[in-house]
Amino acid sequence: GESVGLHLPTLSVQEGDNSIINCAYSNSASDYFIWYKQESGKGPQFIIDIRSNMDKRQGQRVTVLLNKTVKHLSLQIAATQPGDSAVYFCAEKRSSGYSTLTFGKGTMLLVSP
Amino acid sequence: NAGVTQTPKFRVLKTGQSMTLLCAQDMNHEYMYWYRQDPGMGLRLIHYSVGEGTTAKGEVPDGYNVSRLKKQNFLLGLESAAPSQTSVYFCASTDVRGGGTGELFFGEGSRLTVL
Repeated sequence: GESVGLHLPTLSVQEGDNSIINCAYSNSASDYFIWYKQESGKGPQFIIDIRSNMDKRQGQRVTVLLNKTVKHLSLQIAATQPGDSAVYFCAEKRSSGYSTLTFGKGTMLLVSP
Repeated sequence: NAGVTQTPKFRVLKTGQSMTLLCAQDMNHEYMYWYRQDPGMGLRLIHYSVGEGTTAKGEVPDGYNVSRLKKQNFLLGLESAAPSQTSVYFCASTDVRGGGTGELFFGEGSRLTVL
C-alpha cells in the first residue's frame, strides 16, 4: 500500500461518529482554501472549498469552517463511514499569480466499523 | 472519461539514469502541474504550465525538467536520477485561470524508485 500515511497525524473514529479534521494555514493573503481526500494508492480528490470571505460552507455530509483570526481551517464529516477512511489534505490558494495550491501535510482518518 | 492519465505507474531506476513521466488529460484544461509526494511531506509542486508551450518552476524544481508541447500533455523529465527523487509523482490539471476554486483533477500517480 501507499506509504504516505507514515508519520501523519491520525484520527480514529467509529462508524457513525462525526469527525473533525483540523488544519492551520500560513498565508493571510490566501483567497481560497480547499480540502482533498486521498485514498490509498490513488490521487487526491477534491471534496469542498471555501472562499476567504466566508466562515462556513456545507456540502453533502461535510462542512468546512474557516477562522481567519487564528488561521485555522477544519473539515467536519457527519456520520463517518468506513469509505471515508483516507488521508485528508487542506490546501490554500494564494491570491496572486496563477492557480497554484500549497498543500498541508495531511491527516489520516481511520474509521472502524 | 479518462480524466488525467499518467504513465508509467511504476518505475525503478538506477542512479544516473534518465526517464520521462507522461501526463495526458482529455478535459481541455489549460493548467497542468507536477507534484511529488513523500511520507510526512504532503504534496510539493515541482513545475507547472499555464498553457501550451509554457512552463514555470514550482517549489522543488531542481533535478527536473518539463515540456508542454501539446495542450493535453505535460512531460516530466529526470535527466540524471538520484535516490532523493524516489517518490510518488502526481500530475494534475485544472481549467481555472487565476481565480475560482482551484479544484485540481489528479492522476493516479507514478511511483518512482531510484536505487
